[in-house]
Amino acid sequence: ENVLTQSPGTLSLSPGERATLSCRARQSVNNNYLAWFQQKPGQAPRLLIYGASSRATGIPDRFSGSGSGTDFTLTISRLEPEDFAVYYCQQYGTALWTFGQGTKVEIK
Amino acid sequence: QVQLVESGGGVVQPGRSLRLSCAASGLAFSSSAMHWVRQAPGKGLEWVAFISYDGSNKAYADSVRGRFSISRDNSKNTLYLQMNSLRAEDTALYYCASPAIPWGQGTLATVSS
Repeated sequence: ENVLTQSPGTLSLSPGERATLSCRARQSVNNNYLAWFQQKPGQAPRLLIYGASSRATGIPDRFSGSGSGTDFTLTISRLEPEDFAVYYCQQYGTALWTFGQGTKVEIK
Repeated sequence: QVQLVESGGGVVQPGRSLRLSCAASGLAFSSSAMHWVRQAPGKGLEWVAFISYDGSNKAYADSVRGRFSISRDNSKNTLYLQMNSLRAEDTALYYCASPAIPWGQGTLATVSS
């Protein structure tokens, strides 16, 4: 399976700051089929980015995805209060999906 | 818009069975690969099973292979997960999903005596 490793585990930032989250795959992700999800307590994961860099419907443009092959990044340009949450990356380039372990973005 | 609605969760004893359903709308269901993903309380996301658009190909996580079975009815736009020989560690929120499509709210399966 294609193991995904996210870093850092926790990111402590203030509103208005820039957040940079990393996701590294053990093997190249087919067709860059890499997605990012946001999850808040008690809620289902929310699709933010698919295809490494395409924003899902209704997602603000402060969220952006980049990368290819084995190294991917989610950037939140200016953190809003509602952005503090856990973020997961996912590869869907094979039938056996895999997820990163998550990065928690918390208020500093 | 695309909507996935899971149902069928509940509380069951260890060793018993449960059948989950997922009703899909707003997507070309009969041409879409589908998956089940679960999240145990306080834990991360775990992929469970895959089925191809026509049901001819299936795959399972090692943790559920031989106990769970994924199926679909394209005439009803519905995905299923038959869960047998349930264990306490199968307790989780179960989500159906399709590549690059927003997820539903999930259905909770609790295995407890």
